[in-house]
Amino acid sequence: GENVEQHPSTLSVQEGDSAVIKCTYSDSASNYFPWYKQELGKGPQLIIDIRSNVGEKKDQRIAVTLNKTAKHFSLHITETQPEDSAVYFCAASKAAGYSTLTFGKGTMLLVSP
Amino acid sequence: NAGVTQTPKFQVLKTGQSMTLQCAQDMNHEYMSWYRQDPGMGLRLIHYSVGAGITDQGEVPNGYNVSRSTTEDFPLRLLSAAPSQTSVYFCASSRPGLTDTQYFGPGTRLTVL
Repeated sequence: GENVEQHPSTLSVQEGDSAVIKCTYSDSASNYFPWYKQELGKGPQLIIDIRSNVGEKKDQRIAVTLNKTAKHFSLHITETQPEDSAVYFCAASKAAGYSTLTFGKGTMLLVSP
Repeated sequence: NAGVTQTPKFQVLKTGQSMTLQCAQDMNHEYMSWYRQDPGMGLRLIHYSVGAGITDQGEVPNGYNVSRSTTEDFPLRLLSAAPSQTSVYFCASSRPGLTDTQYFGPGTRLTVL
């Protein structure tokens, strides 16, 4: 089955700095890669996703890049703010009729004012 | 639109007791799933359903039962709770084909003594 590795497990940055979280996946058939943000005591919430026919996608301060050849994808957050502090999860799926997601183990991002 | 709702929010059980975690969605999503979240382990898929009457096992199904009699509801049953089932449980739903975005509920924190 699919295996998703996520690094780093914790990331501390100063407000205004950029943050990068990286994931690798094992199943070359995976073609859908979402990123979720989880705040304390809440369920994960989708923040951005990318499909295999696209190399990069941006949404304001957030961007995701995908390298299918190397089987890795990354989340980039620019101009970080304290409210970006949360746990971030990457995931992968084949998305062929149903969406069984395999998640990475998460990255705790701490943004200091 | 309430989205995905879960009850209860918190539950304490004794070893050997049974209980049902409730999950409901009002978005007419065909796909529903249950995950458990443990520290440092990310989210692991327990069971999922691609429609009423259809369920299948995920990565960690042992000790859990599910059924899907309606599109809206997807309860998770623990027949004989064990301390290893202490975890936070999340239900999610999506509509494959239209979008693979999975919407998560707020979670149930379960402690088994």
